[in-house]
Amino acid sequence: EVQLVESGGGLVPPGRSLRLSCRGSGFTFGDYAMSWVRQAPGKGLEWVGFIRSKTYGGTTEYAASAKGRFTISRDDSKSIAYLQMDTLITEDTAVYYCTKDGGYCDRGNCYYYMDVWGKGTTVTVSS
Amino acid sequence: EIVMTQSPATLSVSPGERATLSCRASQSVRSNLAWYQQKPGQAPRLLITAASTRATGVPARFSGSGSGTEFTLTISSLQSEDFAVYYCQQYNNWPPLTFGGGTKVEIK
Repeated sequence: EVQLVESGGGLVPPGRSLRLSCRGSGFTFGDYAMSWVRQAPGKGLEWVGFIRSKTYGGTTEYAASAKGRFTISRDDSKSIAYLQMDTLITEDTAVYYCTKDGGYCDRGNCYYYMDVWGKGTTVTVSS
Repeated sequence: EIVMTQSPATLSVSPGERATLSCRASQSVRSNLAWYQQKPGQAPRLLITAASTRATGVPARFSGSGSGTEFTLTISSLQSEDFAVYYCQQYNNWPPLTFGGGTKVEIK
């Protein structure tokens, strides 16, 4: 069974940092792109960022709200994806979900959706 | 950035009835459109990819249609477990990957 388990959430004051982890199991972790998606209390889903598999360069993409403050990385030997969040602001308060991405590539472009989701970890930014 | 707009925001339906949810993209996303279901206190679950392909294990009462800018998710006969919030997401023009605001399907 494919599983994703997030950890690392908690209460943090504005301006501080936090690193979330996402451990995958039940699939060959290194073969898949991974995303982070967040959901503020009572709100909808917001894509945060993405990391390609090493086969596709292991490069990252970010939402405008995350660019410059958040960094996604992966350790395929441990089947873990990370979300490093720096300079946190109150608007970053949300449940953060890790996803295993599905999709396809066609003529040099790749298209990804969120295939499997973890249960999420809660981040609260407050003084 | 492609903006996804879902309507209605809330849909009140009786069990056994048909539910039709709409999703509109601000520009063409071809068929690169996914639907997700989220129940209270749970993570979202993938229902539909490529606008009309059911994900593994998704019951046949869920169907998706559309392409370009107009999409529909239909639940043919609502079961108690189907009352939830449904999100569409485009994955054609990205970054960013963008979601609609969601449609809550509630019991009438």
